[in-house]
Amino acid sequence: DAKTTQPPSMDCAEGRAANLPCNHSTISGNEYVYWYRQIHSQGPQYIIHGLKNNETNEMASLIITEDRKSSTLILPHATLRDTAVYYCIVRPRVSNAGKSTFGDGTTLTVKP
Amino acid sequence: GAVVSQHPSWVICKSGTSVKIECRSLDFQATTMFWYRQFPKQSLMLMATSNEGSKATYEQGVEKDKFLINHASLTLSTLTVTSAHPEDSSFYICSAGTGISGMNTEAFFGQGTRLTVV
Repeated sequence: DAKTTQPPSMDCAEGRAANLPCNHSTISGNEYVYWYRQIHSQGPQYIIHGLKNNETNEMASLIITEDRKSSTLILPHATLRDTAVYYCIVRPRVSNAGKSTFGDGTTLTVKP
Repeated sequence: GAVVSQHPSWVICKSGTSVKIECRSLDFQATTMFWYRQFPKQSLMLMATSNEGSKATYEQGVEKDKFLINHASLTLSTLTVTSAHPEDSSFYICSAGTGISGMNTEAFFGQGTRLTVV
């Protein structure tokens, strides 16, 4: 699986948008970008995934650059409960979703 | 959405004893489940792939005789830590993908099991 690079930590003010970047410059054409988050002492939670088009769901938006070498997860209105470690993962299309290679992720701290 | 449930959420055991952790897919069938381990302030590390009706496959460096995996049904996988030692203390997490063979879908993770060996 392609390697991803994320900043180790970020802060965000409550109510503001949180923009979390991820670099995946070695991504191949058959690989998806997935985002998960892990709140302290819990299992990871799926947020969103995409191939090349931008995606949006009730939790977040995913912006993937045209060359697919990087992406940004956007939490439009961060709350204190969004404080967590966010993982950007790249996975082949034809693979079991349960199997992922986790990097170090970004620790997002939402502050009042 | 789909739910994966782990039991117990936490367990404390004495050194040398064995501990069993259960992972259940509550509303879908999972022919394949995965077990991860997470040490404090570290990321998740894949330990093994649990296959229903067949032997598990282990990642390099994971002792198969120490971490016994059984996947006897389409909704249950168990991880048994045998002869546990303090260095086995960790956060154990299972996951499963939904859909046909779990491909091209989101993954669901259990809430994790905190194992403390004293």
